[in-house]
Amino acid sequence: GAVVSQHPSWVICKSGTSVKIECRSLDFQATTMFWYRQFPKQSLMLMATSNEGSKATYEQGVEKDKFLINHASLTLSTLTVTSAHPEDSSFYICSARDLGTVPYEQYFGPGTRLTVT
Amino acid sequence: AQTVTQSQPEMSVQEAETVTLSCTYDTSESNYYLFWYKQPPSRQMILVIRQEAYKQQNATENRFSVNFQKAAKSFSLKISDSQLGDTAMYFCAFRGSGGGADGLTFGKGTHLIIQP
Repeated sequence: GAVVSQHPSWVICKSGTSVKIECRSLDFQATTMFWYRQFPKQSLMLMATSNEGSKATYEQGVEKDKFLINHASLTLSTLTVTSAHPEDSSFYICSARDLGTVPYEQYFGPGTRLTVT
Repeated sequence: AQTVTQSQPEMSVQEAETVTLSCTYDTSESNYYLFWYKQPPSRQMILVIRQEAYKQQNATENRFSVNFQKAAKSFSLKISDSQLGDTAMYFCAFRGSGGGADGLTFGKGTHLIIQP
């Protein structure tokens, strides 16, 4: 089956620094990827839709200047949390849409746990 | 905007029993997709079952089946012959049919515990 990877699986950074999270589709091309955020014991919330070759679409309430998304190729999207603060600590999950399936399937990465100290 | 509601924060049943998880949703769209995802302690999201709104027949996948009531906007998941490995968070999710650019809207989840 289709595989989506995320790197790193966990990261600790100091307040004020930036951290980049990668999402890769390993065996299929993905023009669209999605970024979700999950706080402890809560549900997943869609943050943004990442489109290859164009600007990301952010959900209402998500600061686009804080969460920079770049989808530079058909297999890679990156989420950069800029000037991270403790309240940005969360579990970030990406998913990727497989163009080759009808209706399209969406596969999830294993997630990245971000802790800001 | 669509909303997804799961009213059971936690459920506990004995192994081999049947359990039903509830989900209701609200949308103005006529065509859409509904999903149940399982999230075990590893936190990897695993697709359990999918239902396409234009299909009247309820989806089934081995021990998992749904009761899809479109008019009532209800989408429950039934797990038969429950196993210890079914212990996990279960999320109901909605996706519109807007050209493939729709992310998922999730409910708050139900923590299912299967007791030995």
